[in-house]
Amino acid sequence: AQKVTQAQTEISVVEKEDVTLDCVYETRDTTYYLFWYKQPPSGELVFLIRRNSFDEQNEISGRYSWNFQKSTSSFNFTITASQVVDSAVYFCALSEAEESGTYKYIFGTGTRLKVLA
Amino acid sequence: GAGVSQTPSNKVTEKGKYVELRCDPISGHTALYWYRQSLGQGPEFLIYFQGTGAADDSGLPNDRFFAVRPEGSVSTLKIQRTERGDSAVYLCASSLIDSGKYNEQFFGPGTRLTVL
Repeated sequence: AQKVTQAQTEISVVEKEDVTLDCVYETRDTTYYLFWYKQPPSGELVFLIRRNSFDEQNEISGRYSWNFQKSTSSFNFTITASQVVDSAVYFCALSEAEESGTYKYIFGTGTRLKVLA
Repeated sequence: GAGVSQTPSNKVTEKGKYVELRCDPISGHTALYWYRQSLGQGPEFLIYFQGTGAADDSGLPNDRFFAVRPEGSVSTLKIQRTERGDSAVYLCASSLIDSGKYNEQFFGPGTRLTVL
């Protein structure tokens, strides 16, 4: 069965600290996609990154980096030198490449990040 | 270009009433999704449209929920005989489905439904 676990409900850090948000997933498929979205207080989900199951390269985008490890079924997200504007709820999501072509997302419960000035 | 838009942004109704929630996807996006997000939870899938047809409605909680997309663009989520448990934020997303290529979903701002 598909499942995404974000065990960290809430994290508080002081500005400029590094922080890692954990994501563990379960799937029986060999082809799947993983995503991270940011949901600021305004409520709109903002796409951050997509990763397919065949690409285990880690990725860095500015202060953001992602560590995908199939061996541990994890897709963790690190923010370096956090800023107050990073405060939001972050969601990890899984999508399987089903034959039906649905590509629906299975979301985790989210991690609320608070960055204190 | 314009993103996904949803109307109304807020809807307050009484138990037992009928409501319609509207979604305007990004122009040219053939795939459209509805999700429901309860307080403190991640969004949960409701239904997926590819073009005009509902390709997957496995997430609809019961037969009080129905959605249409008659012209393959705008979609309406309809809830009959609303219950207090239906209170949530209803999110719409759209994406471009290319043959052999999967693209991310873009989300609208949501409609906050409150059933009194």
